Amino acid sequence: GAGVSQSPSNKVTEKGKDVELRCDPISGHTALYWYRQSLGQGLEFLIYFQGNSAPDKSGLPSDRFSAERTGGSVSTLTIQRTQQEDSAVYLCASSRLAGGFDTGELFFGEGSRLTVL
Amino acid sequence: AQSVSQHNHHVILSEAASLELGCNYSYGGTVNLFWYVQYPGQHLQLLLKYFSGDPLVKGIKGFEAEFIKSKFSFNLRKPSVQWSDTAEYFCAVKNTDKLIFGTGTRLQVFP
Repeated sequence: GAGVSQSPSNKVTEKGKDVELRCDPISGHTALYWYRQSLGQGLEFLIYFQGNSAPDKSGLPSDRFSAERTGGSVSTLTIQRTQQEDSAVYLCASSRLAGGFDTGELFFGEGSRLTVL
Repeated sequence: AQSVSQHNHHVILSEAASLELGCNYSYGGTVNLFWYVQYPGQHLQLLLKYFSGDPLVKGIKGFEAEFIKSKFSFNLRKPSVQWSDTAEYFCAVKNTDKLIFGTGTRLQVFP
């Protein structure tokens, strides 16, 4: 597609439920990032994919959070047993390789706003 | 661990005033440096970037940033701001893999 697409754009859920957030990156972009944006907290790094592998999962806040990427394209971020502190905007971004090197120039989606009641 | 600090959390300026937003990072190796901007209601977009070469880089809309290696800094500047520059600005640093962002600076420009 023309840009990074995320769904759902808004999700309201009850505490304890599981949620799944989807990201469809720009075609041909091999790197995919998930960030969490909370008021006053900036962009918190969650996880990074290069192709289908995740070299760095260090940002995932707890074992309730997991992410996968299949076919080097679509990625899903799953939050199990959601808590109120999980409420935030979850941003996905992708970037391309240039000369085998990740340019680091990220193209962001609109985000998925998660509200846990 | 790699980190990025933006000390100005909220900046309020009048149109035509000059702007400088601070950014410092902790990583000592080779880094790539970025400024991203998020206008109200819009998604994040790249403002400018530094990979190598001239430490003074120019971006869109009259913004520029200077990489000072000895100070681990990459401050953003604009000589004369406009009301349309009202946005949140994020500094970011990348070494070998992930891109780490600062907490952001909210800029409000009044006519």
